[in-house]
Amino acid sequence: DAGVTQSPTHLIKTRGQQVTLRCSPISGHKSVSWYQQVLGQGPQFIFQYYEKEERGRGNFPDRFSARQFPNYSSELNVNALLLGDSALYLCASSLDVGPGELFFGEGSRLTVL
Amino acid sequence: RKEVEQDPGPFNVPEGATVAFNCTYSNSASQSFFWYRQDCRKEPKLLMSVYSSGNEDGRFTAQLNRASQYISLLIRDSKLSDSATYLCVVSPQAGGGADGLTFGKGTHLIIQP
Repeated sequence: DAGVTQSPTHLIKTRGQQVTLRCSPISGHKSVSWYQQVLGQGPQFIFQYYEKEERGRGNFPDRFSARQFPNYSSELNVNALLLGDSALYLCASSLDVGPGELFFGEGSRLTVL
Repeated sequence: RKEVEQDPGPFNVPEGATVAFNCTYSNSASQSFFWYRQDCRKEPKLLMSVYSSGNEDGRFTAQLNRASQYISLLIRDSKLSDSATYLCVVSPQAGGGADGLTFGKGTHLIIQP
């Protein structure tokens, strides 16, 4: 069975640009969460979506947005990129919205120059 | 005070030894607790949930002390393959809600032959 898949795996952007990251959850999982992991830190919660609705938001600026599609896949958008947005962006899927086990994808590594 | 605090290490431990990590959390209302493992440049994966009564999974034992607000992980008979970063994870809710998981920075463990 396929796990959580993310694309692209690596990308390089310049300051001020916009980026869209994509995630496909495990089949049957209805919840998708996004986390940002800066080098040397633990993952930090950005968003959770369940049944196409935003169910939780972390302490990130409005430049960060996301959505979930009817097939439960999700996109994370970041506008007006800053150098500090350079990080590994992890998508995680779970069966439902509760704090059960999260299954992470391998992440999208974003470098902002 | 950070929400979840861990000693970042690294812990350099000889193969076969026993090693223990602690983690403290600041939100006394936290309900769910986990240890995740993250290999270098890989995604985090659930190692084990942590229950109030303590729980064991093979060579791994997790304990929760709500009064002191700390969680521990004990690894017995350590193997070279145990080398990884161990992330302490706390959730504010037992079920429902979507505030995301709060990760510590992680404790880096190196098992030496």
